[in-house]
Amino acid sequence: QSALTQPPSASGSPGQSVTISCTGSSSDVGGYNYVSWYQQRPGKAPKLIIYDVTKRPSGVPDRFSGSKSGNTASLTVSGLQAEDEADYYCSSYVGSTTVSFGGGTKLTVL
Amino acid sequence: EVQLVESGGGLVQPGGSLRLSCAASGFTFSTYYLTWVRQAPGKGLECVAKIDPDGSGRYPLDSMKGRLTVSRDNAKNLLYLQMNSLRVEDTAVYYCATEDWWSLRAWGQGTLVTVSS
Repeated sequence: QSALTQPPSASGSPGQSVTISCTGSSSDVGGYNYVSWYQQRPGKAPKLIIYDVTKRPSGVPDRFSGSKSGNTASLTVSGLQAEDEADYYCSSYVGSTTVSFGGGTKLTVL
Repeated sequence: EVQLVESGGGLVQPGGSLRLSCAASGFTFSTYYLTWVRQAPGKGLECVAKIDPDGSGRYPLDSMKGRLTVSRDNAKNLLYLQMNSLRVEDTAVYYCATEDWWSLRAWGQGTLVTVSS
């Protein structure tokens, strides 16, 4: 069982925005600004798209944005494109030595 | 360009052992924390081991404690994961990744470990 809770699925039409939540506790998401988001396309390795709650690695489109309120972090994908269809995972520092992941959200572009 | 290439996966019987390797290039290997993450078929991601730049290993998964040893060779830019007493439920793709302030920045392509009789 994941320490972080994500909805199993999300969807949107091309051009729309969609937000995926990641709910933890004050011991992880709420307690630290070390939330990351990963995109995983079918058959591929995960790719970091957001780190430190809001920061984007070089090369990640600014259509991807992150935020946090209390114990819930969110990933927003604006201007949905077909290529955004993938699984998305959040992770957070959990006050131990490694990170914990959410269960993942399958994003479908309708 | 950062590159991580895993190898060593394959089919192993329950109770068997396997050593995975991860060859790194394109960054100063000796200064990075490195993490092994696994993904069972159709399932999510789990961190199974992490190693500090100085070689201290950490094993967050209770189900794998005592059965894993993570190590590194900073002279050869190689990361290893020795897995013993493998169980069917250890079947997964195993990824190595660089870790920087609890985000996994670069990932390898993964190596599949299948535990089956």
